[in-house]
Amino acid sequence: GIQVEQSPPDLILQEGANSTLRCNFSDSVNNLQWFHQNPWGQLINLFYIPSGTKQNGRLSATTVATERYSLLYISSSQTTDSGVYFCAVSEKLVFGKGTKLTVNP
Amino acid sequence: DTEVTQTPKHLVMGMTNKKSLKCEQHMGHRAMYWYKQKAKKPPELMFVYSYEKLSINESVPSRFSPECPNSSLLNLHLHALQPEDSALYLCASSGQRSPGYTFGSGTRLTVV
Repeated sequence: GIQVEQSPPDLILQEGANSTLRCNFSDSVNNLQWFHQNPWGQLINLFYIPSGTKQNGRLSATTVATERYSLLYISSSQTTDSGVYFCAVSEKLVFGKGTKLTVNP
Repeated sequence: DTEVTQTPKHLVMGMTNKKSLKCEQHMGHRAMYWYKQKAKKPPELMFVYSYEKLSINESVPSRFSPECPNSSLLNLHLHALQPEDSALYLCASSGQRSPGYTFGSGTRLTVV
């Protein structure tokens, strides 16, 4: 089956810093989403982005489908950005292992 | 507020109990999913319903029994579970008009 790798596994930032999270996948996909899982377990849909670039406030994402990777950018991070960020691909929504982000005040 | 509602939010059950998890969506989505998430792990797919028919069963043990009574509801019936089945159970839905999956807030299940 398709493999999804995320990096880095852990990331600690000071409030206000910028960061880039990466998702590599092993096969071509027509579905890719980024999620943020908060400490209570809620999976929040950040982007549906099988290709191209999207922006939503301080967050933006780029997927280069031909090179099988996607990037999530977080600018001016806030403590509320803390949590686990997942990339998931394909119709079955196969998840990567996630990046645990901690933003310190 | 999430558009996919799951109840209950927390459930503690014994190994001989029978219980059900419920999921409801009113977005007109015709595909609904159950995922299981163990602590510090990503969600893993259990079942997929498409147009109220079971289309994918990811080799889930028979002590988990899904049911889709109509296009808005999805149940997961639990019977004779084991302590290792303790996890966060997530429901999701997707539709052709709005790409991407929407998840509920989950049911945190503890089997004692």
